[in-house]
Amino acid sequence: NAGVMQNPRHLVRRRGQEARLRCSPMKGHSHVYWYRQLPEEGLKFMVYLQKENIIDESGMPKERFSAEFPKEGPSILRIQQVVRGDSAAYFCASSPRSGESSEAFFGQGTRLTVV
Amino acid sequence: GNSVTQMEGPVTLSEEAFLTINCTYTATGYPSLFWYVQYPGEGLQLLLKATKADDKGSNKGFEATYRKETTSFHLEKGSVQVSDSAVYFCALSDRTGGSNYKLTFGKGTLLTVNP
Repeated sequence: NAGVMQNPRHLVRRRGQEARLRCSPMKGHSHVYWYRQLPEEGLKFMVYLQKENIIDESGMPKERFSAEFPKEGPSILRIQQVVRGDSAAYFCASSPRSGESSEAFFGQGTRLTVV
Repeated sequence: GNSVTQMEGPVTLSEEAFLTINCTYTATGYPSLFWYVQYPGEGLQLLLKATKADDKGSNKGFEATYRKETTSFHLEKGSVQVSDSAVYFCALSDRTGGSNYKLTFGKGTLLTVNP
């Protein structure tokens, strides 16, 4: 059973470009969580999605950031018009049930660098 | 709000040395507590957890005890191995308010064990 797969592992974007980060949850998992780790900081919750629904996006910046988890395919975290401050590691986690933080499995992360 | 503070690294030890990584927390409710480990090139993995006061979580020789009176959850191992070299994250989830899926992380502590 493959783990949580994130791609790309590393992504370089110029200021003003769009970044699309993908997360394929573990088989049988329908709950996805995105976290961001800024340099020298811990992981910070961004958004919690179920298939086709955003459950909690309280950690998402109000502008330029969006997330989706379609019925088919991976979850996508989209950052429009990237700025240098968006440079960070973005981690995705999945779980088989909601409210089970301890059963969340994390991917290897996507390291975004904005130049 | 919730927060987690863990000792800053990096921590460098010789094989078979005793390990302690301190972790303290603040929470508005009654949290569950976790230690996650991230080996080089991999995603975060749950190492151990405790869900109520005085509970001891243990796994792979690591232990941590939920101390409500000191709001701490220090990670210990009696004899570290080179293979324990990794980044260790302390985290909590607050079970009040219906958002126990949301993890709050410390900044992480890099441990290097030399032969």
